[in-house]
Amino acid sequence: RKEVEQDPGPFNVPEGATVAFNCTYSNSASQSFFWYRQDCRKEPKLLMSVYSSGNEDGRFTAQLNRASQYISLLIRDSKLSDSATYLCVVNMGNTGGFKTIFGAGTRLFVKA
Amino acid sequence: DTEVTQTPKHLVMGMTNKKSLKCEQHMGHRAMYWYKQKAKKPPELMFVYSYEKLSINESVPSRFSPECPNSSLLNLHLHALQPEDSALYLCASSQDRAFSGANVLTFGAGSRLTVL
Repeated sequence: RKEVEQDPGPFNVPEGATVAFNCTYSNSASQSFFWYRQDCRKEPKLLMSVYSSGNEDGRFTAQLNRASQYISLLIRDSKLSDSATYLCVVNMGNTGGFKTIFGAGTRLFVKA
Repeated sequence: DTEVTQTPKHLVMGMTNKKSLKCEQHMGHRAMYWYKQKAKKPPELMFVYSYEKLSINESVPSRFSPECPNSSLLNLHLHALQPEDSALYLCASSQDRAFSGANVLTFGAGSRLTVL
């Protein structure tokens, strides 16, 4: 089983749609969680951290369920510019500190 | 300054060449990373330096040799690479990998390597 698993995608949605991505992680000792966005041929960039209480940044809402080891990202009112790969990222305890593990990514295409 | 700078942006090398990728950050981060990314795949961890000491080597072949001359610089020396090593090489840094909340990665734009 992979340490971090995501919906495979791709997701093809029209502008204005709401789309949700899911992610599960296998290590119950994982400490912190993030969503990164990666545009084609660019580097990953932090989209938002994910907290147990849930957090929102404009049209983006992230949720963490530690009991189920599950992370989600909801995008409301999708824009063409949201088209990208969304990477679920988990910090897991490791010798000497934490190790950052990436999910395989979910590709989103928003169409006009 | 919240950037991680990588040079060169593009590199083409033969299998017998020796070259180096360079990475620099001035955010005062104490952990630095090399990742390799192939097309349509997630970044794959290669090496981690923490406080200028090598913390993690993910069983990377010895033809890749990392070096951390100081807390701001990270190099990746390349020698006798294979065509399958062609990829985007990403450098990242984080404030401190000893604390989960401080282990948020900031990536450079990457060096796109082609091995002929």
